[in-house]
Amino acid sequence: DTAVSQTPKYLVTQMGNDKSIKCEQNLGHDTMYWYKQDSKKFLKIMFSYNNKELIINETVPNRFSPKSPDKAHLNLHINSLELGDSAVYFCASSQVIGPREKLFFGSGTQLSVL
Amino acid sequence: GDSVTQMEGPVTLSEEAFLTINCTYTATGYPSLFWYVQYPGEGLQLLLKATKADDKGSNKGFEATYRKETTSFHLEKGSVQVSDSAVYFCALSATQAGTALIFGKGTTLSVSS
Repeated sequence: DTAVSQTPKYLVTQMGNDKSIKCEQNLGHDTMYWYKQDSKKFLKIMFSYNNKELIINETVPNRFSPKSPDKAHLNLHINSLELGDSAVYFCASSQVIGPREKLFFGSGTQLSVL
Repeated sequence: GDSVTQMEGPVTLSEEAFLTINCTYTATGYPSLFWYVQYPGEGLQLLLKATKADDKGSNKGFEATYRKETTSFHLEKGSVQVSDSAVYFCALSATQAGTALIFGKGTTLSVSS
């Protein structure tokens, strides 16, 4: 069983469209994250939820809206997609949010905006 | 703010060569330090970690020592294999509650036989 699974793996879409990426973890973790990896492999935190509550919300356009229906799921909805949104988006989870916690990552969603 | 600086890649080595990937950090307090590895087409996996000064993390032949005096956490391996080809990320976790991992920009390692 995959610990952190995200779908779809690839997403190709036109500018201006709205799309969602789904993430599920079966590890029983309390905390989930979305990271964005750009074309130079740089990883940046976008959001973090702990027990369905938003605890980290970095400087991200409000076109990006995370939703956590329960602590095992954290979905990312993106409105009005722009060329600059093209990247790989990684979902991750950890037992709790804390300085020593190990993160478990999904395999990524490669988003291409044309 | 807190940050991590890694050496620029790509690093290209022959099999059995010695590997060093430099990582330095800036942080207040005593962060925890990590190395994550990303194999082609996959998500990141934790490679090793150290949570206090002078701790040495090790896994799969890789080692890194938390050096507070030089604010460094360099990754080393004595003899690399082709299967070690991947992107390596140094990361830190601040001591404040509610903060996420901060990653360096990643270093691509390519090992040829």
